[in-house]
Amino acid sequence: QLVLTQSPSASASLGASVTLTCTLSSGHSRYAIAWHQQQPEKGPRYLMKIGSDGRHNKGDGIPDRFSGSSSGAERYLTISSLQSEDEADYYCQTWGTGIQVFGGGTKVTVL
Amino acid sequence: EVQLMQSGAEVKKPGESLKISCKGSGYSFTDYWISWVRQMPGKGLEWMGRIDPSDSYIDYGPSFQGHVTISTAKSISTAYLQWSSLKASDTGMYFCVRHVNGDHIDFWGQGTLVTVSS
Repeated sequence: QLVLTQSPSASASLGASVTLTCTLSSGHSRYAIAWHQQQPEKGPRYLMKIGSDGRHNKGDGIPDRFSGSSSGAERYLTISSLQSEDEADYYCQTWGTGIQVFGGGTKVTVL
Repeated sequence: EVQLMQSGAEVKKPGESLKISCKGSGYSFTDYWISWVRQMPGKGLEWMGRIDPSDSYIDYGPSFQGHVTISTAKSISTAYLQWSSLKASDTGMYFCVRHVNGDHIDFWGQGTLVTVSS
């Protein structure tokens, strides 16, 4: 079964970096994923797609301080130079034949 | 400019029917799948189903099969999500989204809030 696992929360200080992890279920380690950000009281927006080789392509207007990488079944989103507006929920998303799957989301708090 | 413009908030009673819409503009509507995503109050994102506007092929998420109907009117670049008999548990925000190459989501609508209450 295709499942994405995310930690419920993460925090870091203003100006620091934070790395979020999205883990693919057993047997699905070569799947690509996408990251989406949902700021408080707003709809989500697409950040980037990350392949199993770590290559990623970002959505329009996504700042350079957002980057992605991969290792095995894990896909990462790193936010550098944290800003107050980065406080949000972050969801990973993947897809298979006839199905789309979301992770449970990670709430990022900027201290 | 790509836009997915969703219809406005709805307040309904249990047992009533409802059809909400999502109009695409700024791109070729039949070149991208559209999915619907539910977000219940204070919860995460749930994929409900998707449609390929070019041929109207539909997949439904396991939790939503038989409970909702997804359709399109490609002549007016619009996708729909429909309920025949709403329940209080259908209360939530509903987003339409666009898929690139049939895989990842690259654009979100602004959301339609549906409230079902007696």
